[in-house]
Amino acid sequence: GAGVSQTPSNKVTEKGKYVELRCDPISGHTALYWYRQSLGQGPEFLIYFQGTGAADDSGLPNDRFFAVRPEGSVSTLKIQRTERGDSAVYLCASSSLGRGDRAVNEQFFGPGTRLTVL
Amino acid sequence: AQSVTQPDIHITVSEGASLELRCNYSYGATPYLFWYVQSPGQGLQLLLKYFSGDTLVQGIKGFEAEFKRSQSSFNLRKPSVHWSDAAEYFCAVGSYNQGGKLIFGQGTELSVKP
Repeated sequence: GAGVSQTPSNKVTEKGKYVELRCDPISGHTALYWYRQSLGQGPEFLIYFQGTGAADDSGLPNDRFFAVRPEGSVSTLKIQRTERGDSAVYLCASSSLGRGDRAVNEQFFGPGTRLTVL
Repeated sequence: AQSVTQPDIHITVSEGASLELRCNYSYGATPYLFWYVQSPGQGLQLLLKYFSGDTLVQGIKGFEAEFKRSQSSFNLRKPSVHWSDAAEYFCAVGSYNQGGKLIFGQGTELSVKP
């Protein structure tokens, strides 16, 4: 079956502009995660959805960042008034969140969207 | 604070030699541990994971890792490295009470000499 897909693969924008990054998770996966990976660093958690609701948005750096998942499948990460420091690869992952000891399942990652803010 | 440390930013090994990549974590809850590999232009691929039970876990591509609670470590090993193993390797930790979000180390870049 298809894996996690992300569009666009590359996005170049100007400082101050608004961008949307899309994630299509693996069909049936209830949990969806967004991470940001800066050059030379490991991925950094941004936000996590269980179904349609954001269960944990503690990683969003500020109120310019917002994410939605209205139907519990596709998610969109939205960045307002982009800044040069937002340049990074934005990764999306999904998992079939289990229960109890299996509440932490394998996360399947998409190829990422490389965002460049000029 | 929760953290994952990969002390080696870059390692070079000869093809056929053994490999060990280090990972140390600081985590208040019972940790679940993962190793991911990232090749240039590719997404993160899971190599192996530890949830509970046997502390020596086997993964794909001939990799294994050992969980040592007393040392807060989860080092990745491979007995004989292949040129195709050259990539970036990330250790990550999560827990049940964190909803599955992962904290990653900064990564170790592996180069393989012919």
